[in-house]
Amino acid sequence: NAGVMQNPRHLVRRRGQEARLRCSPMKGHSHVYWYRQLPEEGLKFMVYLQKENIIDESGMPKERFSAEFPKEGPSILRIQQVVRGDSAAYFCASSRTGGRDSPLHFGNGTRLTVT
Amino acid sequence: AQTVTQSQPEMSVQEAETVTLSCTYDTSESDYYLFWYKQPPSRQMILVIRQEAYKQQNATENRFSVNFQKAAKSFSLKISDSQLGDAAMYFCAHRGYQKVTFGTGTKLQVIP
Repeated sequence: NAGVMQNPRHLVRRRGQEARLRCSPMKGHSHVYWYRQLPEEGLKFMVYLQKENIIDESGMPKERFSAEFPKEGPSILRIQQVVRGDSAAYFCASSRTGGRDSPLHFGNGTRLTVT
Repeated sequence: AQTVTQSQPEMSVQEAETVTLSCTYDTSESDYYLFWYKQPPSRQMILVIRQEAYKQQNATENRFSVNFQKAAKSFSLKISDSQLGDAAMYFCAHRGYQKVTFGTGTKLQVIP
């Protein structure tokens, strides 16, 4: 009964490199959400995806950031040409449906450090 | 657009005592759910309790209960008989149409 799986748990990248964060939702869940958390701060919404579709990307920076949730395989959050300000914990959550009564289940997060 | 406000950045409580964490929200939707999540130092986000906006009865989960005041758009969390394991960040969240919005969190310290 695996929960939401995120990997890697920790990721270190030098400025200018690419970061790829993976998220496998809970079994039976087809809705995925990505959030960013800076130290001592709350969760900031980035993007909401359903299989093969981006539903809401209003929280995603316009440049360098992209997300996908293919028909097969995990959801990927991709950050190109990382900068120090991208250092944060990135959380993925999934829900069974997009309905209001369907709570989000979170992974353990990926802590990205840009050196 | 929804907003969720947690006005207490930090709170402390003596072990075995009761503490209440505040949360207010703003939304134009009439149908929504509210949630409280706990984030211990391990960083895992754990669902604590949920409340449907259409239900007047306050939700309860063991030592955790809420005081939901819909007209005031208030959704506070009460923790009874506080335990050391309750020490964590607590986040209030609003789930409306296609959007889940979180507050900035309250850090709860439990004093032995």
